[in-house]
Amino acid sequence: NAGVTQTPKFRVLKTGQSMTLLCAQDMNHEYMYWYRQDPGMGLRLIHYSVGEGTTAKGEVPDGYNVSRLKKQNFLLGLESAAPSQTSVYFCASAGGEVSNQPQHFGDGTRLSIL
Amino acid sequence: DQQVKQNSPSLSVQEGRISILNCDYTNSMFDYFLWYKKYPAEGPTFLISISSIKDKNEDGRFTVFLNKSAKHLSLHIVPSQPGDSAVYFCAARTWGQNFVFGPGTRLSVLP
Repeated sequence: NAGVTQTPKFRVLKTGQSMTLLCAQDMNHEYMYWYRQDPGMGLRLIHYSVGEGTTAKGEVPDGYNVSRLKKQNFLLGLESAAPSQTSVYFCASAGGEVSNQPQHFGDGTRLSIL
Repeated sequence: DQQVKQNSPSLSVQEGRISILNCDYTNSMFDYFLWYKKYPAEGPTFLISISSIKDKNEDGRFTVFLNKSAKHLSLHIVPSQPGDSAVYFCAARTWGQNFVFGPGTRLSVLP
Protein backbone atom coordinates (compact mmCIF):
# COMPACT_ATOMS: atom_id res chain seq x y z
CA ASN A 1 0.00 0.00 0.00
CA ALA A 2 2.31 2.76 -1.31
CA GLY A 3 0.04 5.84 -1.03
CA VAL A 4 2.04 8.80 -2.35
CA THR A 5 5.54 8.09 -3.65
CA GLN A 6 8.10 10.77 -4.51
CA THR A 7 11.28 10.29 -6.50
CA PRO A 8 14.06 11.09 -6.03
CA LYS A 9 14.45 11.47 -2.24
CA PHE A 10 17.58 13.62 -2.48
CA ARG A 11 19.21 15.60 -5.24
CA VAL A 12 22.00 18.15 -5.57
CA LEU A 13 21.97 20.44 -8.59
CA LYS A 14 24.15 23.20 -9.88
CA THR A 15 22.65 26.60 -10.61
CA GLY A 16 21.09 26.60 -14.07
CA GLN A 17 20.54 22.86 -14.30
CA SER A 18 17.09 21.42 -14.86
CA MET A 19 15.34 18.48 -13.29
CA THR A 20 11.94 16.87 -12.80
CA LEU A 21 10.48 15.59 -9.55
CA LEU A 22 7.99 12.76 -9.87
CA CYS A 23 4.98 12.13 -7.67
CA ALA A 24 2.83 9.02 -8.00
CA GLN A 25 -0.31 8.12 -6.06
CA ASP A 26 -2.22 4.84 -6.07
CA MET A 27 -5.41 6.02 -4.33
CA ASN A 28 -7.24 7.21 -7.46
CA HIS A 29 -7.30 10.75 -6.05
CA GLU A 30 -8.44 13.63 -8.22
CA TYR A 31 -6.44 16.38 -6.52
CA MET A 32 -2.67 16.56 -6.43
CA TYR A 33 -0.38 19.23 -5.01
CA TRP A 34 3.23 20.30 -4.85
CA TYR A 35 4.47 22.17 -1.76
CA ARG A 36 7.81 23.43 -0.61
CA GLN A 37 8.81 23.55 3.03
CA ASP A 38 11.31 26.10 4.26
CA PRO A 39 12.35 26.76 7.87
CA GLY A 40 9.79 28.83 9.78
CA MET A 41 7.41 29.05 6.84
CA GLY A 42 5.36 25.88 6.90
CA LEU A 43 4.22 24.36 3.63
CA ARG A 44 3.68 26.71 0.70
CA LEU A 45 1.69 25.62 -2.34
CA ILE A 46 3.59 25.76 -5.63
CA HIS A 47 1.12 24.26 -8.12
CA TYR A 48 -1.85 21.98 -7.92
CA SER A 49 -4.14 19.91 -10.13
CA VAL A 50 -7.85 19.20 -9.80
CA GLY A 51 -7.79 16.32 -12.27
CA GLU A 52 -5.97 14.67 -15.16
CA GLY A 53 -4.85 17.22 -17.72
CA THR A 54 -5.38 20.23 -15.45
CA THR A 55 -2.90 22.37 -13.54
CA ALA A 56 -3.09 25.67 -11.66
CA LYS A 57 -0.74 28.04 -9.87
CA GLY A 58 -0.47 28.14 -6.14
CA GLU A 59 1.13 30.67 -3.81
CA VAL A 60 4.75 30.40 -5.07
CA PRO A 61 4.71 29.16 -8.69
CA ASP A 62 7.58 31.18 -10.18
CA GLY A 63 10.45 29.09 -11.52
CA TYR A 64 8.43 25.86 -11.58
CA ASN A 65 6.27 24.06 -14.12
CA VAL A 66 4.01 21.05 -13.68
CA SER A 67 2.21 18.46 -15.75
CA ARG A 68 -0.55 15.94 -15.01
CA LEU A 69 -0.75 13.76 -18.10
CA LYS A 70 -1.96 10.75 -16.12
CA LYS A 71 -4.28 10.83 -13.13
CA GLN A 72 -1.83 9.03 -10.89
CA ASN A 73 1.23 11.16 -11.69
CA PHE A 74 2.09 14.80 -11.02
CA LEU A 75 5.45 16.09 -12.23
CA LEU A 76 7.24 19.19 -10.96
CA GLY A 77 9.90 20.70 -13.20
CA LEU A 78 12.66 23.19 -12.54
CA GLU A 79 13.85 24.55 -15.88
CA SER A 80 16.81 26.56 -14.56
CA ALA A 81 17.52 25.84 -10.92
CA ALA A 82 18.39 28.72 -8.58
CA PRO A 83 19.83 28.60 -5.03
CA SER A 84 16.51 30.07 -3.76
CA GLN A 85 14.86 26.81 -4.80
CA THR A 86 16.85 24.84 -2.24
CA SER A 87 14.09 23.33 -0.13
CA VAL A 88 12.23 20.19 0.80
CA TYR A 89 9.46 19.44 -1.68
CA PHE A 90 6.32 17.54 -0.73
CA CYS A 91 3.71 16.10 -2.99
CA ALA A 92 0.19 15.45 -1.72
CA SER A 93 -3.06 14.04 -3.06
CA ALA A 94 -6.69 14.18 -1.98
CA GLY A 95 -9.90 12.55 -3.12
CA GLY A 96 -12.33 14.71 -5.09
CA GLU A 97 -15.71 13.05 -4.63
CA VAL A 98 -16.26 13.68 -0.93
CA SER A 99 -15.65 17.00 0.76
CA ASN A 100 -13.71 17.45 3.98
CA GLN A 101 -10.97 15.00 3.12
CA PRO A 102 -7.40 15.42 4.32
CA GLN A 103 -4.40 15.41 2.03
CA HIS A 104 -2.02 12.45 1.94
CA PHE A 105 1.64 13.36 1.66
CA GLY A 106 4.72 11.72 0.26
CA ASP A 107 7.95 11.59 2.26
CA GLY A 108 9.50 14.54 0.45
CA THR A 109 12.41 15.33 -1.86
CA ARG A 110 15.32 17.23 -0.38
CA LEU A 111 16.77 19.44 -3.11
CA SER A 112 19.96 21.47 -2.83
CA ILE A 113 20.99 23.98 -5.47
CA LEU A 114 24.65 24.98 -5.40
CA ASP B 1 1.35 37.80 5.62
CA GLN B 2 0.57 34.41 7.13
CA GLN B 3 -3.09 33.50 7.21
CA VAL B 4 -2.46 30.66 9.64
CA LYS B 5 -0.17 31.31 12.58
CA GLN B 6 1.40 29.04 15.13
CA ASN B 7 3.14 31.43 17.46
CA SER B 8 4.99 28.83 19.51
CA PRO B 9 7.86 27.35 17.49
CA SER B 10 8.45 24.74 20.18
CA LEU B 11 6.85 23.18 23.25
CA SER B 12 8.17 20.76 25.87
CA VAL B 13 5.86 18.66 28.01
CA GLN B 14 6.39 15.92 30.57
CA GLU B 15 5.17 12.44 29.66
CA GLY B 16 1.64 11.84 30.94
CA ARG B 17 0.77 15.52 31.04
CA ILE B 18 -1.42 17.47 28.63
CA SER B 19 0.06 19.06 25.50
CA ILE B 20 -1.76 22.08 24.11
CA LEU B 21 -0.81 23.36 20.68
CA ASN B 22 -2.33 26.59 19.45
CA CYS B 23 -3.18 28.01 16.06
CA ASP B 24 -4.66 31.36 15.02
CA TYR B 25 -6.09 32.28 11.64
CA THR B 26 -7.10 35.52 9.99
CA ASN B 27 -9.67 34.55 7.35
CA SER B 28 -13.22 34.03 8.65
CA MET B 29 -14.09 32.23 5.40
CA PHE B 30 -12.02 29.16 6.34
CA ASP B 31 -14.48 26.30 6.83
CA TYR B 32 -12.37 23.24 7.59
CA PHE B 33 -9.32 22.87 9.78
CA LEU B 34 -6.82 20.07 10.17
CA TRP B 35 -3.82 19.08 12.25
CA TYR B 36 -0.94 17.17 10.76
CA LYS B 37 1.96 15.51 12.52
CA LYS B 38 5.40 15.26 10.96
CA TYR B 39 8.38 13.14 11.95
CA PRO B 40 11.88 13.89 10.57
CA ALA B 41 12.50 12.64 7.02
CA GLU B 42 8.82 11.78 6.59
CA GLY B 43 5.86 13.58 5.08
CA PRO B 44 3.10 15.11 7.22
CA THR B 45 0.40 12.66 8.28
CA PHE B 46 -3.17 13.63 9.01
CA LEU B 47 -4.09 13.62 12.68
CA ILE B 48 -7.50 15.17 13.26
CA SER B 49 -9.82 17.71 11.69
CA ILE B 50 -12.80 19.88 12.52
CA SER B 51 -15.49 21.55 10.46
CA SER B 52 -16.38 25.17 11.15
CA ILE B 53 -19.89 24.10 12.17
CA LYS B 54 -18.46 22.32 15.22
CA ASP B 55 -16.48 23.56 18.20
CA LYS B 56 -14.93 20.27 19.29
CA ASN B 57 -13.81 17.00 17.77
CA GLU B 58 -12.27 14.12 19.69
CA ASP B 59 -10.32 11.08 18.56
CA GLY B 60 -8.75 9.02 21.31
CA ARG B 61 -6.07 11.06 23.05
CA PHE B 62 -6.46 13.94 20.59
CA THR B 63 -9.06 16.70 20.80
CA VAL B 64 -9.31 19.76 18.61
CA PHE B 65 -11.20 22.84 19.77
CA LEU B 66 -12.39 25.63 17.51
CA ASN B 67 -13.29 29.13 18.69
CA LYS B 68 -14.60 30.90 15.60
CA SER B 69 -15.18 34.25 17.27
CA ALA B 70 -11.53 34.34 18.33
CA LYS B 71 -10.33 32.68 15.10
CA HIS B 72 -8.43 30.24 17.27
CA LEU B 73 -7.81 26.52 17.08
CA SER B 74 -6.13 24.28 19.61
CA LEU B 75 -5.01 20.66 19.74
CA HIS B 76 -5.00 18.86 23.09
CA ILE B 77 -3.07 15.64 23.57
CA VAL B 78 -3.88 13.75 26.78
CA PRO B 79 -1.88 11.98 28.06
CA SER B 80 1.23 12.95 26.13
CA GLN B 81 3.60 10.15 25.14
CA PRO B 82 7.22 10.25 23.95
CA GLY B 83 6.05 9.01 20.53
CA ASP B 84 4.06 12.23 20.18
CA SER B 85 7.31 14.15 19.81
CA ALA B 86 7.08 15.64 16.32
CA VAL B 87 6.31 18.85 14.45
CA TYR B 88 2.60 19.68 14.35
CA PHE B 89 1.12 21.73 11.54
CA CYS B 90 -2.21 23.46 11.63
CA ALA B 91 -3.96 23.86 8.26
CA ALA B 92 -7.12 25.58 7.03
CA ARG B 93 -9.11 25.10 3.85
CA THR B 94 -9.20 28.22 1.73
CA TRP B 95 -11.43 27.18 -1.19
CA GLY B 96 -12.18 24.01 -3.11
CA GLN B 97 -9.65 21.52 -1.83
CA ASN B 98 -6.80 23.97 -1.25
CA PHE B 99 -5.23 24.46 2.14
CA VAL B 100 -2.94 26.95 3.83
CA PHE B 101 -0.53 25.73 6.49
CA GLY B 102 0.94 27.27 9.60
CA PRO B 103 4.72 27.23 10.23
CA GLY B 104 4.51 24.34 12.69
CA THR B 105 5.21 23.75 16.39
CA ARG B 106 7.85 21.26 17.49
CA LEU B 107 6.55 19.21 20.43
CA SER B 108 8.99 17.39 22.69
CA VAL B 109 7.53 14.96 25.21
CA LEU B 110 10.06 14.25 27.93
CA PRO B 111 10.11 10.84 29.64
